[in-house]
Amino acid sequence: KAGVTQTPRYLIKTRGQQVTLSCSPISGHRSVSWYQQTPGQGLQFLFEYFSETQRNKGNFPGRFSGRQFSNSRSEMNVSTLELGDSALYLCASSLADRGPGLSTDTQYFGPGTRLTVL
Amino acid sequence: GQSLEQPSEVTAVEGAIVQINCTYQTSGFYGLSWYQQHDGGAPTFLSYNALDGLEETGRFSSFLSRSDSYGYLLLQELQMKDSASYFCAVRSITGGGNKLTFGTGTQLKVEL
Repeated sequence: KAGVTQTPRYLIKTRGQQVTLSCSPISGHRSVSWYQQTPGQGLQFLFEYFSETQRNKGNFPGRFSGRQFSNSRSEMNVSTLELGDSALYLCASSLADRGPGLSTDTQYFGPGTRLTVL
Repeated sequence: GQSLEQPSEVTAVEGAIVQINCTYQTSGFYGLSWYQQHDGGAPTFLSYNALDGLEETGRFSSFLSRSDSYGYLLLQELQMKDSASYFCAVRSITGGGNKLTFGTGTQLKVEL
């Protein structure tokens, strides 16, 4: 079974631009989460989508948004880029959708998109 | 809110045993997970503790004590390839969904 894929792998943008990142989860996984990873802040949760609905949102400004399509593929968008948005953006999918248990807590991460804002 | 603290760096020699601690403050969570991340790579799932006690998976073991708000990852027979960052993580009971809160991360360096 193919793993989580993310495109593009690397991206360079300038301040003020916007960017769209894409994530395809493992087949059969309906929950897709996005994380931002930086050396200073570590791994921080952005948002989670399940069945095309945003189910959770982290503490990020409204410039960060996302969506999920009927095939579970997800995109995240960052508008009006700032230098501080430079980071590795990771997408993760999981099998189960709610409640306790290993299958819900285990998240499978994609390779990430390395975004550099100049 | 939730916070999980880990030592920033641990160094050990090949063949040794190392323990990476995770202390947390959280209102309630389903279980404690551990992830490994090599430089430039994606985090990969290592181990999960739903209940207090020790879980063993090959060379890796993980422990949880909810009464002490503490967990650890134990790596035995260290190999050079174990040099990576290790993160503990929890999923809140009250938050719903699959939001994971990650610890601060521990960089493990394995030396000859």
